[in-house]
Amino acid sequence: AQTVTQSQPEMSVQEAETVTLSCTYDTSENNYYLFWYKQPPSRQMILVIRQEAYKQQNATENRFSVNFQKAAKSFSLKISDSQLGDTAMYFCAFMLNAGGTSYGKLTFGQGTILTVHP
Amino acid sequence: DTGVSQDPRHKITKRGQNVTFRCDPISEHNRLYWYRQTLGQGPEFLTYFQNEAQLEKSRLLSDRFSAERPKGSFSTLEIQRTEQGDSAMYLCASSLWPTNEKLFFGSGTQLSVL
Repeated sequence: AQTVTQSQPEMSVQEAETVTLSCTYDTSENNYYLFWYKQPPSRQMILVIRQEAYKQQNATENRFSVNFQKAAKSFSLKISDSQLGDTAMYFCAFMLNAGGTSYGKLTFGQGTILTVHP
Repeated sequence: DTGVSQDPRHKITKRGQNVTFRCDPISEHNRLYWYRQTLGQGPEFLTYFQNEAQLEKSRLLSDRFSAERPKGSFSTLEIQRTEQGDSAMYLCASSLWPTNEKLFFGSGTQLSVL
């Protein structure tokens, strides 16, 4: 079974600054996806960024980037130029890529509450 | 693409009552998932459908829970004889398999059992 651990229950950052959220995971599998989801007060889970384990290049999406260290089983999220709208709960999630039934079965971490201060 | 919609947004019920939630996925998505999220925790997988077939159920899904997806469109999740421990947010998500591994989530139904 896979586990995902987010060791930072809460983080805060000043507007326009950079913040990094940590995530570690444990798996014996080699082919998987990793995701960061954002859950604002509206409660809808919004996909921020995804990483395919077989790709060495770190994923980037505008102000969001990841530092994927496969050997260390680490997957951190960096948010640059933080905005007030980034305030939300952030979840790291793991999905096995074994085809068929593994698609869509996400294992989530406990979440990190990020507050962006003006 | 109108997104995944869930109804109701909030449900308050008394212990022992039955409740039913509805999820409408993105129209072309063939897979539909149910997750449960308790306060301060990440969502946990409950079950999923491919079209109308329920392909997997988590051990978290006791026999008081039943889910359906008639005709492979919307889905319902029913909880019979609710217990206080059922209080949680129930999230629905959908995806287009095998084209895309990304899940699109609804805003959830918050259940409070008194």
